[in-house]
Amino acid sequence: TQLLEQSPQFLSIQEGENLTVYCNSSSVFSSLQWYRQEPGEGPVLLVTVVTGGEVKKLKRLTFQFGDARKDSSLHITAAQPGDTGLYLCAGGGSGGSNYKLTFGKGTLLTVNP
Amino acid sequence: GAGVSQTPSNKVTEKGKYVELRCDPISGHTALYWYRQSLGQGPEFLIYFQGTGAADDSGLPNDRFFAVRPEGSVSTLKIQRTERGDSAVYLCASSPKGRRNTEAFFGQGTRLTVV
Repeated sequence: TQLLEQSPQFLSIQEGENLTVYCNSSSVFSSLQWYRQEPGEGPVLLVTVVTGGEVKKLKRLTFQFGDARKDSSLHITAAQPGDTGLYLCAGGGSGGSNYKLTFGKGTLLTVNP
Repeated sequence: GAGVSQTPSNKVTEKGKYVELRCDPISGHTALYWYRQSLGQGPEFLIYFQGTGAADDSGLPNDRFFAVRPEGSVSTLKIQRTERGDSAVYLCASSPKGRRNTEAFFGQGTRLTVV
């Protein structure tokens, strides 16, 4: 069974601060996705990384996939209240089951104005 | 509509009753997924459709759960003899391709409460 552990589970920061959240596993994933979920809504895809060592930037968000494709990080620069939400990482299955996403429990981020 | 639509948004049912949850995917998306999200957890995979057929139902917890997609578009998740442990948010997602594309677009979910 593939498991993804996210840390920290909860994070409360002030507007303008930087932060990093982590997603770790002992398993190799074909791809790694990051989603943001707001209360009462479904997860919204932020980024997909597929190559070990890959780095992608989305405005103030920087995503990195570990060299061994077992872990990932999300760094937010100068956080804003609009960044508040549940950040979920999800790994695509290996082999023929790459459609099947395994989600972590998420990091609940609160950015205070 | 532009996104994945799920109905109802909320469903309260009594233990032992039968429920149906509907998912209307993005037009043209051939792949459809059902996930279940319990409180404080990430979504858990239930079933994957490619077209009309269930390509992978390995995540269905037991035989009380069943899903169909008869015309390759709308899908219905059916739960028989509901139990309190079935209470969760049921999420549907679709993607434009099949096995090679895991970039799923999620609906807002149906919050099921079994009392």
